[in-house]
Amino acid sequence: AQSVTQLDSQVPVFEEAPVELRCNYSSSVSVYLFWYVQYPNQGLQLLLKYLSGSTLVKGINGFEAEFNKSQTSFHLRKPSVHISDTAEYFCAAQISSGGYQKVTFGIGTKLQVIP
Amino acid sequence: ETGVTQTPRHLVMGMTNKKSLKCEQHLGHNAMYWYKQSAKKPLELMFVYSLEERVENNSVPSRFSPECPNSSHLFLHLHTLQPEDSALYLCASSQGVNNQPQHFGDGTRLSIL
Repeated sequence: AQSVTQLDSQVPVFEEAPVELRCNYSSSVSVYLFWYVQYPNQGLQLLLKYLSGSTLVKGINGFEAEFNKSQTSFHLRKPSVHISDTAEYFCAAQISSGGYQKVTFGIGTKLQVIP
Repeated sequence: ETGVTQTPRHLVMGMTNKKSLKCEQHLGHNAMYWYKQSAKKPLELMFVYSLEERVENNSVPSRFSPECPNSSHLFLHLHTLQPEDSALYLCASSQGVNNQPQHFGDGTRLSIL
């Protein structure tokens, strides 16, 4: 079974400061990893994904994440946040082997950007 | 702009009512999903349909009944719900059941009185 842990339920950060949102996963097999963002009153939108290859993945809105297999982590970073980044962020994992594999989501991290 | 449309956006119902949630995707996808999103809990997968066949029924109570008449439409029929069923219900679609990303609708906020 796989699980996804987001260590911080809320992260306040000042505008233009850097931010890191943490995500750890547990799985005995290879996984695909994702970050989604949810703005108020909206559904989830994909920020970025890691399937294979380069461990540094760049996504939309200036976000990036690094896959670290030894630490089973997939932390999300942005060097300078904007007010518009205030939202909830979800890390997710999916086993990469054959057959139907459901996506497991973390509990979410609320990013609050302070002016 | 969203390729996945959910109606209604808000629904308030009593425990004895029967209602349905509707989801329509305009992306040409062949897999559709229902999720339940509750505060302080991970997103819970409820049902998955691939090519109109159900491939996942994640131990969901029978008071929730899904229907997928074609690859563009997905319904969630509700009856005799409980207060703990109050949540945001999200529909998603993807091209292939194992493909990402899933494209999400904006959800239906359901409140059970």
